[in-house]
Amino acid sequence: DAKTTQPNSMESNEEEPVHLPCNHSTISGTDYIHWYRQLPSQGPEYVIHGLTSNVNNRMASLAIAEDRKSSTLILHRATLRDAAVYYCILRDVGGSQGNLIFGKGTKLSVKP
Amino acid sequence: GAGVSQTPSNKVTEKGKYVELRCDPISGHTALYWYRQSLGQGPEFLIYFQGTGAADDSGLPNDRFFAVRPEGSVSTLKIQRTERGDSAVYLCASSPEGTHGNTIYFGEGSWLTVV
Repeated sequence: DAKTTQPNSMESNEEEPVHLPCNHSTISGTDYIHWYRQLPSQGPEYVIHGLTSNVNNRMASLAIAEDRKSSTLILHRATLRDAAVYYCILRDVGGSQGNLIFGKGTKLSVKP
Repeated sequence: GAGVSQTPSNKVTEKGKYVELRCDPISGHTALYWYRQSLGQGPEFLIYFQGTGAADDSGLPNDRFFAVRPEGSVSTLKIQRTERGDSAVYLCASSPEGTHGNTIYFGEGSWLTVV
């Protein structure tokens, strides 16, 4: 799996939008971009994933650059519950294993 | 409960002892994963099962670590001759099948402390 680069930490104010960046300059054409997050003392949970087009779900939006070398996870209105470590992960569509390779992620703090 | 269940939630053991950690995946999920997470790090892949067989065990750090899934459901991670460096959270996860698009669901982990 290709590597991703994320900032170690970010801060946000409650009820404001948050843009979490991820660089994946060595992404291949068969890599999906997945985002997971991990709340304190819990296992990671799925947030969103996409291939080329921007994606929206009830949790977040995923904006993917046209060249696919970077992406941004967007939380439209941060809440205190969104304080977590956010992981950007590439997953090969052609791979048979399916396992996720985690980096260190971005630790998001949300201030009231 | 509908989620991935792991037992025990906490385990303290002495150096050199044998430990078993159990994982009950979500019913019907054919893919099962084990990860290990040390403080301040992201989860580290250990092993992946598709059904009863280990499809990828490349993440197991050495031969003291072993995992089984004899009936394609419950899995047990076994650690022999534990060392202090084995202290970590051991996470289990499952998905409907091990392909790129399927969501992977994680349990809350088993916290292992080797003293």
